[in-house]
Amino acid sequence: EVQLLESGGGLVQPGGSLRLSCAASGLTLSNYGMTWVRQAPGKGLEWVSGIFGSGVPTYYADSVKGRFTTSRDNSRNTLYLQMNSLRAEDTAVYYCARHIRYMDYWGQGTLVTVSS
Amino acid sequence: EIVLTQSPGTLSLSPGERATLSCRASQSVSSNYLAWYQQKPGQAPRLLIYDASNRATGIPDRFSGSGSGTDFTLTISRLEPEDFAVYYCQQYSSSPPGLTFGGGTTVDI
Repeated sequence: EVQLLESGGGLVQPGGSLRLSCAASGLTLSNYGMTWVRQAPGKGLEWVSGIFGSGVPTYYADSVKGRFTTSRDNSRNTLYLQMNSLRAEDTAVYYCARHIRYMDYWGQGTLVTVSS
Repeated sequence: EIVLTQSPGTLSLSPGERATLSCRASQSVSSNYLAWYQQKPGQAPRLLIYDASNRATGIPDRFSGSGSGTDFTLTISRLEPEDFAVYYCQQYSSSPPGLTFGGGTTVDI
């Protein structure tokens, strides 16, 4: 059974940093593309970032380009999202998902709140 | 960037009725790489349809997808009580790589 478990969310001040993790079981991350999707409170889904199975390249939505970095640790079978220079508008539940051309497996999400 | 526009914003129907949800793209979706998801409150999205018309594993056959190019449709033939939720469409582009979601359609009673 495939499971994706996000962690690392929490409350952070504007301008701060946070690193999210997505631990996978039942699938080998290096064999698949993965993506991060977020959802602000009461809003729709927004794609954030993706990484190919090969690990390169990574690609980003314009709203986070230059501030967020996606990476992967194959030995830990874990995906990461490093978020820097956080803004209030980054407040959202962040989901990781397996990405082919669509997302078939999703984690349960982790909440990031950017507020002073 | 391809913009996806979903309509209507809200669809008010009763169990047993047919639901027709629309997703229109600002330009042609490459290879019909268009997917549909269902999301219920407090839950992650669930994949329903991929590549415009293929049902995902375990999805009941009352859900069907159709369309090509810029116009796509999700149809729920007979609404069950558990189908009342928010539905999103999503497209994938390979060059440059990226994806976008529509704004969602709420199906409620």
